[in-house]
Amino acid sequence: EAEVAQSPRYKITEKSQAVAFWCDPISGHATLYWYRQILGQGPELLVQFQDESVVDDSQLPKDRFSAERLKGVDSTLKIQPAELGDSAMYLCASSLLGQGRAEAFFGQGTRLTVV
Amino acid sequence: GESVGLHLPTLSVQEGDNSIINCAYSNSASDYFIWYKQESGKGPQFIIDIRSNMDKRQGQRVTVLLNKTVKHLSLQIAATQPGDSAVYFCAETMANQAGTALIFGKGTTLSVSS
Repeated sequence: EAEVAQSPRYKITEKSQAVAFWCDPISGHATLYWYRQILGQGPELLVQFQDESVVDDSQLPKDRFSAERLKGVDSTLKIQPAELGDSAMYLCASSLLGQGRAEAFFGQGTRLTVV
Repeated sequence: GESVGLHLPTLSVQEGDNSIINCAYSNSASDYFIWYKQESGKGPQFIIDIRSNMDKRQGQRVTVLLNKTVKHLSLQIAATQPGDSAVYFCAETMANQAGTALIFGKGTTLSVSS
């Protein structure tokens, strides 16, 4: 069964350091999302791609976060510099949303701890 | 602002009982409503969805009901099993200036005791 792949699964970094997360969506899924989930809360959208284009990054803290999906397939989310408040689960999801299907499929996430 | 929310943060049931998890939404323009299950340390897993022009949809042991009059969504789980213990989120898709967004509510933690 096709899955969304994310790496690493866990990351511990010191504050002020740079950190990057990688996501490989399900093949053929044009829509890709990055979400941040704080423990006990629902996922919050950070950025949404349609193919290689960003269609919504209104909730992305652009002073320190960046995201790219250069070839419209896999994607990278970067934080520089990391802050203590960035500790959370970072989830990637992909869907056929722009192709008539609504459900998004999630990866296992990257658990980030900033110390 | 517009958001998807859930009525109860926790729900405890006995194995074999039926469970009902509720969600209230505020955006009348949403196209789809989706229920996700999230187990500890894992990403959300799709359970079932319903289009805004439907009021009921059934899956295996699960039923989703949509009441657009009162903007209410519910997930019914029949014969709840210990493996159903997880956090359940409702989500809605809504059009924004950039396309279509998938917005989540806060979640209900379902605990099933045997």
